[in-house]
Amino acid sequence: DTAVSQTPKYLVTQMGNDKSIKCEQNLGHDTMYWYKQDSKKFLKIMFSYNNKELIINETVPNRFSPKSPDKAHLNLHINSLELGDSAVYFCASSQDGGGYGYTFGSGTRLTVV
Amino acid sequence: QQQVKQSPQSLIVQKGGISIINCAYENTAFDYFPWYQQFPGKGPALLIAIRPDVSEKKEGRFTISFNKSAKQFSLHIMDSQPGDSATYFCAASIASGGGADGLTFGKGTHLIIQP
Repeated sequence: DTAVSQTPKYLVTQMGNDKSIKCEQNLGHDTMYWYKQDSKKFLKIMFSYNNKELIINETVPNRFSPKSPDKAHLNLHINSLELGDSAVYFCASSQDGGGYGYTFGSGTRLTVV
Repeated sequence: QQQVKQSPQSLIVQKGGISIINCAYENTAFDYFPWYQQFPGKGPALLIAIRPDVSEKKEGRFTISFNKSAKQFSLHIMDSQPGDSATYFCAASIASGGGADGLTFGKGTHLIIQP
């Protein structure tokens, strides 16, 4: 059983399109996150959700919006995609938001052409 | 502002040798320091972690050394094996505050173990 699963694994799309990445965790964790890994492999947090409430919102463009239908899911919606959005996006979850025992998904490689 | 600085950027070690990766942090509020291992095409996986109330933690061939006064911590991989070849990330968080800020990562070290 995959603990944190993301779909799709690869996403190629044109500039200006709107796309979504889905994430599900079956660990019963309370907090879920989205991280962005750029071409230099630098990982940076974008959002986190705890009990359906957005806890933090880093300085990402408002074209990015997280949506959590329930505790086990945190989807990432991206509007008006730009070339600079090309990256690998990782979903993660943890039990208490304290950083303990983070579990990452396998990532979604987004390429904007 | 980079709050966690990691070095070296890349490292080549002979099989059986010791791999050492160093990190330094700026925010004294950080109280949880994990190391992650990432293979190509995979997500980061937790390797080992330490809290600042101890100076060293060992799990198998992996050891974290922590120096609170210097605000530095390092990962030592003993008897390095080709299967250890991966990218390693140090990270830090403010766990006592609920960790709402998530993990702050270093920029990663690409480790190659030569057979």
